Amino acid sequence: LAKTTQPISMDSYEGQEVNITCSHNNIATNDYITWYQQFPSQGPRFIIQGYKTKVTNEVASLFIPADRKSSTLSLPRVSLSDTAVYYCLVGDPPPGGGADGLTFGKGTHLIIQP
Amino acid sequence: DTAVSQTPKYLVTQMGNDKSIKCEQNLGHDTMYWYKQDSKKFLKIMFSYNNKELIINETVPNRFSPKSPDKAHLNLHINSLELGDSAVYFCASSHPSGRAPETQYFGPGTRLLVL
Repeated sequence: LAKTTQPISMDSYEGQEVNITCSHNNIATNDYITWYQQFPSQGPRFIIQGYKTKVTNEVASLFIPADRKSSTLSLPRVSLSDTAVYYCLVGDPPPGGGADGLTFGKGTHLIIQP
Repeated sequence: DTAVSQTPKYLVTQMGNDKSIKCEQNLGHDTMYWYKQDSKKFLKIMFSYNNKELIINETVPNRFSPKSPDKAHLNLHINSLELGDSAVYFCASSHPSGRAPETQYFGPGTRLLVL
């Protein structure tokens, strides 16, 4: 079971770059790393996914070192609206995989201040 | 247009009652899920269906019974509701995207309060 460890909470300010790191020491060869964002009173929303090195989309970047035992979600120039809980998932969801890839963990509560 | 919808949005009921939560997705996805998020915000998978077939059942009491009449619907029926069932229940769906794990699309949640 590829468990993940994230900081419980982080604070930052508008306009800053925020990096949230997730540890997953037992990641398996077939596992991908996926990040979701959840606003209060809403369901989680997909942010980004990667397997190795670096992935970038219009919202964030994901950095994965060669050993893949951790990953860092990078949010450029955050705004107040980026205040949310961020979840790191590791695994291969069904039907290819099992429940491992659906384990959301505790997430990181990111608070952005003016 | 709502991709994944759930009804009702709020549900307040008494202990011992039986209730159902409905979920529908118009994304054409093959796989649907039910999650429970408790007061501590832990989000836990309960069930997963692929093409109407149950593929994941994560140690959920048998008072909870999912039903998938077709690929677009996954309903959750709960018998003999208990206080501990109070939580937010999220439905989600996903579709094969090739090599990578499937991206899940979540509904808005159903807030269940058992009195």
